[in-house]
Amino acid sequence: DTAVSQTPKYLVTQMGNDKSIKCEQNLGHDTMYWYKQDSKKFLKIMFSYNNKELIINETVPNRFSPKSPDKAHLNLHINSLELGDSAVYFCASTPVDRRNYGYTFGSGTRLTVV
Amino acid sequence: SQQGEEDPQALSIQEGENATMNCSYKTSINNLQWYRQNSGRGLVHLILIRSNEREKHSGRLRVTLDTSKKSSSLLITASRAADTASYFCATGGLYGNKLVFGAGTILRVKS
Repeated sequence: DTAVSQTPKYLVTQMGNDKSIKCEQNLGHDTMYWYKQDSKKFLKIMFSYNNKELIINETVPNRFSPKSPDKAHLNLHINSLELGDSAVYFCASTPVDRRNYGYTFGSGTRLTVV
Repeated sequence: SQQGEEDPQALSIQEGENATMNCSYKTSINNLQWYRQNSGRGLVHLILIRSNEREKHSGRLRVTLDTSKKSSSLLITASRAADTASYFCATGGLYGNKLVFGAGTILRVKS
């Protein structure tokens, strides 16, 4: 069983389109995250949810809207896609005691905007 | 913004040799973590060292932390071709609410 699963794995779409990426974790963790990895491999946090509540929003454009229907799911919806949105998006989760445990990452969604 | 720098950016060694990667950071931390990323894959958590710890071991991995210098190192002993990957350090803030990653070191182990 995959601990943190993301779908789709690859997403190719045209500028201006709206798309969603889904993430699910079966670890019973309370906190979930979205990270963006750019072409230079830099990883930057975008959002964090703790038990369905938004706790981190790192100055991400309003076109990005996370949604957490329950603590096992954190989806990312992106409106009006731009070329600069092309990147790999990673979902991750941690238990409530996140100071003492590492993150579990999904395998990533490679988004290409053309 | 990135927390700090990793050094070297890239490292190429022969199988069986040791690999050392360094990480520096800027702010006070609760913990420091190391992750591995194989090409085209997600990140895998390797080891976590708390701010009150100085050294930690896990199998062939040895991590040190010097909070006075705001630096850490990851040593992989007796490297294998399968260790070829990118290695990232990441710092957990005082309130544990987010992990900030360094730029990563690309390690290539030649067989």
